[in-house]
Amino acid sequence: QKEVEQNSGPLSVPEGAIASLNCTYSDRVSQSFFWYRQYSGKSPELIMSIYSNGDKEDGRFTAQLNKASQYVSLLIRDSQPSDSATYLCAVTGPNAGNMLTFGGGTRLMVKP
Amino acid sequence: SAVISQKPSRDICQRGTSLTIQCQVDSQVTMMFWYRQQPGQSLTLIATANQGSEATYESGFVIDKFPISRPNLTFSTLTVSNMSPEDSSIYLCSAQRGVTGFYGYTFGSGTRLTVV
Repeated sequence: QKEVEQNSGPLSVPEGAIASLNCTYSDRVSQSFFWYRQYSGKSPELIMSIYSNGDKEDGRFTAQLNKASQYVSLLIRDSQPSDSATYLCAVTGPNAGNMLTFGGGTRLMVKP
Repeated sequence: SAVISQKPSRDICQRGTSLTIQCQVDSQVTMMFWYRQQPGQSLTLIATANQGSEATYESGFVIDKFPISRPNLTFSTLTVSNMSPEDSSIYLCSAQRGVTGFYGYTFGSGTRLTVV
């Protein structure tokens, strides 16, 4: 079992819709959870971090964390074609020496 | 959080040669990380570089092929040695945001390497 799992996609949504990206992790004591956005040919850019159960909102982005289910998600409201990218989930915690473990990424395509 | 300048941004190299990639951080960081990302794939950690000690390599990566230097807390280099076309990839350096990885990593802009 991979430590951090994501559906590779592509996830295709129409412009203006809500895109929902999901991630599960295996280490129950993980403490920090991140979403990175990576445009083709570019380096990953941190867009959201979340540390406690519940929702965290930042503009059109909402991160959701459920530690009991070992599940973290990213919602993108009012999706735009410029949101088309690969989204990487990353997790860290004491068992990993606070080193990040990345999922395989989900490719999102927002169609005009 | 730290800002990382990485160079070169891209290069085309002949097989059998070596390329050194440099990363300069605008603040002191304890740990730096070197990743490889092949087309359509996620990030693969090559090694972790701490200042003042030898780099720690992940399974499948060896020092002779990917020597790393970390002379101080703001700089690191990765050399891709005796290159073959299979080494064509994007190479990324990164550093922890804050003192530990609790706040995630910042990435350099990447080096796109093509070996011909």
